[in-house]
Amino acid sequence: SQQGEEDPQALSIQEGENATMNCSYKTSINNLQWYRQNSGRGLVHLILIRSNEREKHSGRLRVTLDTSKKSSSLLITASRAADTASYFCGNSGGSNYKLTFGKGTLLTVNP
Amino acid sequence: DTGVSQDPRHKITKRGQNVTFRCDPISEHNRLYWYRQTLGQGPEFLTYFQNEAQLEKSRLLSDRFSAERPKGSFSTLEIQRTEQGDSAMYLCASSFRTQETQYFGPGTRLLVL
Repeated sequence: SQQGEEDPQALSIQEGENATMNCSYKTSINNLQWYRQNSGRGLVHLILIRSNEREKHSGRLRVTLDTSKKSSSLLITASRAADTASYFCGNSGGSNYKLTFGKGTLLTVNP
Repeated sequence: DTGVSQDPRHKITKRGQNVTFRCDPISEHNRLYWYRQTLGQGPEFLTYFQNEAQLEKSRLLSDRFSAERPKGSFSTLEIQRTEQGDSAMYLCASSFRTQETQYFGPGTRLLVL
């Protein structure tokens, strides 16, 4: 069973707008990782945030983590059509660092 | 650094046949993970290797599934007596000892007819 949830399940925006996706998890974590997946492809790593961090930036990406609420958000600023993809958050807990994913958010950026 | 590679990329088989997938992790990555992803879902953990030792297996990994990582380099995942429910994308990921980022391969898409 999957222990995380992304919200919303689908998001459609216009190019240039910002996109915000949320992620919740149920157990304590070592870190949380966001990935992008284009249709039928593998996962591309976007950003990792550790449990003792509250915010990280990478280019047009901003990730926040609230361990008290067991939630994270991914903000993509100035979106582009090429950002169209599914986005997953994977939370890593335990000594083996395996990732637990939700169902993802399907982002569509319209040109 | 050529990234994680998986072979084959696509596999179509008939129910009851055996299939084997291969994963080549990034060089020097000692942690290797297998995940399975079905349509509309996120990846689900199957099994984990640290070097050549298989340290964790999910309950999703039935007796028909077996994974190996001889010599701590490439890994294979074998499914015996395939069933239609095994149809999915099988993803491999690797990470380095002191880092936690998992890098995924392109996946092997399995279709069982």
